[in-house]
Amino acid sequence: EAGVTQFPSHSVIEKGQTVTLRCDPISGHDNLYWYRRVMGKEIKFLLHFVKESKQDESGMPNNRFLAERTGGTYSTLKVQPAELEDSGVYFCASSPGELRNEQFFGPGTRLTVL
Amino acid sequence: LAKTTQPISMDSYEGQEVNITCSHNNIATNDYITWYQQFPSQGPRFIIQGYKTKVTNEVASLFIPADRKSSTLSLPRVSLSDTAVYYCLVGAPNSGNTPLVFGKGTRLSVIA
Repeated sequence: EAGVTQFPSHSVIEKGQTVTLRCDPISGHDNLYWYRRVMGKEIKFLLHFVKESKQDESGMPNNRFLAERTGGTYSTLKVQPAELEDSGVYFCASSPGELRNEQFFGPGTRLTVL
Repeated sequence: LAKTTQPISMDSYEGQEVNITCSHNNIATNDYITWYQQFPSQGPRFIIQGYKTKVTNEVASLFIPADRKSSTLSLPRVSLSDTAVYYCLVGAPNSGNTPLVFGKGTRLSVIA
């Protein structure tokens, strides 16, 4: 069975540009989470989808970040416009049902904003 | 949310047993203790979870004393491939509204 996949693996953009990250969760997983780690910091929660609905978006840093989950399948995270401090690794994770503590993470997307 | 404290780093020779202790003095009654492992350039991977006493799987053992204020992850006979960052997390598994909270983790380096 395929795990969580993320695209791209690495993106380098200039400040002010727009970037869209994609996450494909494990098939059948209703829960989808986005996290990120900025340089030297801990992994931080961004938001949580249950199917296509946003369950918790308390970790989203500001309104330059927009997450969507079309039809409860894959999810996208758009950063517009990107700023230098957005550089980091963005992880996506999914889990079935309500077993929140066991989440399956993707390999991450490394975002570099110049 | 219970805060966790664990060593920043540890070194071990191959073949040794490694024990990583995590403190969580403010753990709540319905919190479980969960450990994740993260290799370079990969996302974290769930390895074990427990509530009390001892849990063992094919990867590790988790020891939790009666007061649950700490826990110890035990890796038997580590190999070079066990070099990774290990995170201790506490939280209630069925609280869908509470996200996972990662600390700084323990960086384990296994040397030949």
